[in-house]
Amino acid sequence: GESVGLHLPTLSVQEGDNSIINCAYSNSASDYFIWYKQESGKGPQFIIDIRSNMDKRQGQRVTVLLNKTVKHLSLQIAATQPGDSAVYFCAENIGGAGGTSYGKLTFGQGTILTVHP
Amino acid sequence: DAGITQSPRYKITETGRQVTLMCHQTWSHSYMFWYRQDLGHGLRLIYYSAAADITDKGEVPDGYVVSRSKTENFPLTLESATRSQTSVYFCASEFGLAGGGGVQFFGPGTRLTVL
Repeated sequence: GESVGLHLPTLSVQEGDNSIINCAYSNSASDYFIWYKQESGKGPQFIIDIRSNMDKRQGQRVTVLLNKTVKHLSLQIAATQPGDSAVYFCAENIGGAGGTSYGKLTFGQGTILTVHP
Repeated sequence: DAGITQSPRYKITETGRQVTLMCHQTWSHSYMFWYRQDLGHGLRLIYYSAAADITDKGEVPDGYVVSRSKTENFPLTLESATRSQTSVYFCASEFGLAGGGGVQFFGPGTRLTVL
């Protein structure tokens, strides 16, 4: 899962396996969460999001689970492929203050996913 | 091409010089953001903007200046570059949803080295 520090968590899987990447978020007031994928030399790419009124959301080959009780978020990737190798970030939105219509994202440190053929 | 672009992609400069990083988006998103990414710190927000002529500080604004005279552009200026500003800089934009919480879309990044 995510952690603060110089050494990013790593996950190594075989092609075709399912991957689970974990993230512990910090603020119980966070109401919106996003998973991003970042390949080497590129900007973060949106994967999937979930709002705090949901426990689970599914996309194409990906599922995000939210456990608000323990402030935990996970990303499940089905049938992982070599192209899924990247750094995965979770981000939480603390919400717009004073009724503003945007919120600032706070990013986790990231998890390195390596998929072996 | 539609989307969000950054220029230059790579920049090497010297301590004390002024550097401007450009960001352009074609979606007419109201909100734009500048982040820096460093090993051990993840993505940290420098400045953000809710609309043209509206900007505000993020987590690490010192040493940076922004402007937003047009919705589509959000340049970031390092007025007097320091070695600690060596980093990869990402620009992002967001459509903006009532109540907050929208997807931010990121540019490809600018790798800046300050010697």
